[in-house]
Amino acid sequence: AQSVTQLGSHVSVSEGALVLLRCNYSSSVPPYLFWYVQYPNQGLQLLLKYTSAATLVKGINGFEAEFKKSETSFHLTKPSAHMSDAAEYFCAVRANTGTASKLTFGTGTRLQVTL
Amino acid sequence: GAGVSQSPSNKVTEKGKDVELRCDPISGHTALYWYRQSLGQGLEFLIYFQGNSAPDKSGLPSDRFSAERTGGSVSTLTIQRTQQEDSAVYLCASSRTTTYEQYFGPGTRLTVT
Repeated sequence: AQSVTQLGSHVSVSEGALVLLRCNYSSSVPPYLFWYVQYPNQGLQLLLKYTSAATLVKGINGFEAEFKKSETSFHLTKPSAHMSDAAEYFCAVRANTGTASKLTFGTGTRLQVTL
Repeated sequence: GAGVSQSPSNKVTEKGKDVELRCDPISGHTALYWYRQSLGQGLEFLIYFQGNSAPDKSGLPSDRFSAERTGGSVSTLTIQRTQQEDSAVYLCASSRTTTYEQYFGPGTRLTVT
């Protein structure tokens, strides 16, 4: 079974500051990990994914995440926040089983960016 | 086509009525998923299709919920005798089997009054 914990339901940063959104996972098998972003009244957009290749994953809009097996973490970072980054961010895990299967999501972190 | 599409975008129904929600996946995607997003429960998996068969129905909350997929493409999620707790945003996603990212539609917001 897989689960995800996102620490902090709300995070507020100043424009230009570092963004750090935390995600810890639990998985009985090697995981695939994902970060999705959701803007108001929209569906989920994939930011980046970890699929057992490089542990440092770069995604869209300047975001990146590092898979750390020893810490069971997959934190999302961006060096400099922009107002347009304000949204809700979801970390998700699925089993690396070689076939398609469901995603298990965290509870989400709402990112606020202030001037 | 472009992305995953869902219809209707909004649906208001009276308690006890049946509703059908539709999902058109990305062309060529063989896997299709339904999720539900609500304030109290977050994002929950409902059901997954590979082609027209559903290997995993474990997330359907009750026997009032059913889904089908025809022609390996369009899927319909049906909720019978709707209850107020069914109010949520129903999200559909699709993926190619051999790559693992899921692409989501904009969702259907269901309100049961």
